[in-house]
Amino acid sequence: KNEVEQSPQNLTAQEGEFITINCSYSVGISALHWLQQHPGGGIVSLFMLSSGKKKHGRLIATINIQEKHSSLHITASHPRDSAVYICAVITQGGSEKLVFGKGTKLTVNP
Amino acid sequence: DVKVTQSSRYLVKRTGEKVFLECVQDMDHENMFWYRQDPGLGLRLIYFSYDVKMKEKGDIPEGYSVSREKKERFSLILESASTNQTSMYLCASSFGAGYYGYTFGSGTRLTVV
Repeated sequence: KNEVEQSPQNLTAQEGEFITINCSYSVGISALHWLQQHPGGGIVSLFMLSSGKKKHGRLIATINIQEKHSSLHITASHPRDSAVYICAVITQGGSEKLVFGKGTKLTVNP
Repeated sequence: DVKVTQSSRYLVKRTGEKVFLECVQDMDHENMFWYRQDPGLGLRLIYFSYDVKMKEKGDIPEGYSVSREKKERFSLILESASTNQTSMYLCASSFGAGYYGYTFGSGTRLTVV
């Protein structure tokens, strides 16, 4: 079983819809990252969370440490939001390595 | 604007060739990482480095080596390229224990024929 599980694997939405992507993890963590990867490959870090909630524009990320769960929300989705969204955690114990989920491919249709 | 720069976006090499993938960061980060990304498998760590001349194996180091002679440069070496090393390769760097975030390069799509 993977240490970081994302759902859904694939998501198709209509422009304007509210989108939620979920991430569950089974290990103790120091922090959790949400990453975005557009076609072409480059990865951009969207958020880093260790507790609570963060908001940037139309993106909102939340984390519940007790439940070992995080969500990424996109409000008023747009075709340019189409990308792969990846959840990654830094495990406790001093390691600087990220453990990645397999990603959620989001397609937003006009 | 801080950057992690990978030398090539696309690369085609022949089986058996020695391949160098270069990564340079301008943020004075201690930590640098090489990942490969394959459909259905996600990102997997090949090697990482905490400091100059230091390297540690990740989850899939077989067939690869690395070099970090200067703090800003981390090179991934495929000693004898094989077709199963066809993949997207991503370099990343971070400061400290990653609490300050990671910065990724744009990726190199390597095809071995």
